[in-house]
Amino acid sequence: GAGVSQSPSNKVTEKGKDVELRCDPISGHTALYWYRQRLGQGLEFLIYFQGNSAPDKSGLPSDRFSAERTGESVSTLTIQRTQQEDSAVYLCASSPLWTYQETQYFGPGTRLLVL
Amino acid sequence: AQTVTQSQPEMSVQEAETVTLSCTYDTSESDYYLFWYKQPPSRQMILVIRQEAYKQQNATENRFSVNFQKAAKSFSLKISDSQLGDAAMYFCAYSGGSNYKLTFGKGTLLTVNP
Repeated sequence: GAGVSQSPSNKVTEKGKDVELRCDPISGHTALYWYRQRLGQGLEFLIYFQGNSAPDKSGLPSDRFSAERTGESVSTLTIQRTQQEDSAVYLCASSPLWTYQETQYFGPGTRLLVL
Repeated sequence: AQTVTQSQPEMSVQEAETVTLSCTYDTSESDYYLFWYKQPPSRQMILVIRQEAYKQQNATENRFSVNFQKAAKSFSLKISDSQLGDAAMYFCAYSGGSNYKLTFGKGTLLTVNP
């Protein structure tokens, strides 16, 4: 079946502009995660959605970052007033259930460059 | 808080030989999972192997196997008969207890020489 998809693949923006990143999880997966990967670093957790429950936003680095998810489908990560330090690869993952035992399946990521 | 440490920023191996990537972690949880993910230049994170802490037997997946030492909090990945396609960044990751999100190490860049 289809895996996790993300769009756009690459995004170049100017400092101060807003950007919106999209994630389509695997069909039927109730849990969805966003991670950020800075150059040469591991992945940092940003936000987590589980079904219709309130999301866990504990990893969002500032109030410029927000995310939404409609039911168990598409999610969008929005970064307002982008800064150069926001440049990174943003990865989305989904899993069948919201437990630590589940394997997370990743999309190809969106590479964001803020000039 | 849980932490994952990969002490080898880079490793290299000759094609057909064996290489071991190291990972240590810190946690106070009694049950948890450990994962190795591979990230080739395409950026796609691919699950290589996973291990449940309660299982004493080390996980194996074809040429990939782990050496899980729970008391030492060590979780190394062994790649046998290395192939050119194994060249990638490898990340060790942890999830456990109430920590459903993955905590990652900084990665090890593996080069496979022909």
